Amino acid sequence: TQLLEQSPQFLSIQEGENLTVYCNSSSVFSSLQWYRQEPGEGPVLLVTVVTGGEVKKLKRLTFQFGDARKDSSLHITAAQPGDTGLYLCAGGRFQGAQKLVFGQGTRLTINP
Amino acid sequence: DAGVIQSPRHEVTEMGQEVTLRCKPISGHDYLFWYRQTMMRGLELLIYFNNNVPIDDSGMPEDRFSAKMPNASFSTLKIQPSEPRDSAVYFCASSLGNPGTGVLGAFNEQFFGPGTRLTVL
Repeated sequence: TQLLEQSPQFLSIQEGENLTVYCNSSSVFSSLQWYRQEPGEGPVLLVTVVTGGEVKKLKRLTFQFGDARKDSSLHITAAQPGDTGLYLCAGGRFQGAQKLVFGQGTRLTINP
Repeated sequence: DAGVIQSPRHEVTEMGQEVTLRCKPISGHDYLFWYRQTMMRGLELLIYFNNNVPIDDSGMPEDRFSAKMPNASFSTLKIQPSEPRDSAVYFCASSLGNPGTGVLGAFNEQFFGPGTRLTVL
């Protein structure tokens, strides 16, 4: 059973376009993290959101945690080829347990 | 500072052979995680340790898999005997359990190693 569903699974767009990636669940999470993974490397943390409704910005990336803490989105403005990679959302359900559940990932390709 | 170190980076073996993957976490981190990543199943948690003690091994697929952490700076994941369906990228990650951020509900950043690509023929 996949607790976190990401959509779309694959996305290929042109440089300069905007995009949104979604991470949905029927479960409530204490916090949600977004990681980016490049080929041949391990995932690297981009952001952690904790409070329902929380919005965090990282340059051209905007992350939002749903009010009910069951979903999250990642919006990229004016995508660049350097944004290419696998984006993973990960949820933690029990504070102190440190166990994360990862979504399947969204493989993003930005074409020059 | 060195990040999480994994060895080997690539392993090709034949079905039935024993495989041992190694991990050195970041110094001072008290949590260590083993994950497996495949196209079909994504990134799955196999087992994690806190202060060298296994906390949750519910993700270990079967008895052929075992993991140990004899000290704070070393962990192994062993597959015996290996099967073709074990082919995947295996990641080790570490984190600091209580960095004192004071943020309730936050889960701490996990630092991943570069992974070991295992191919079982």
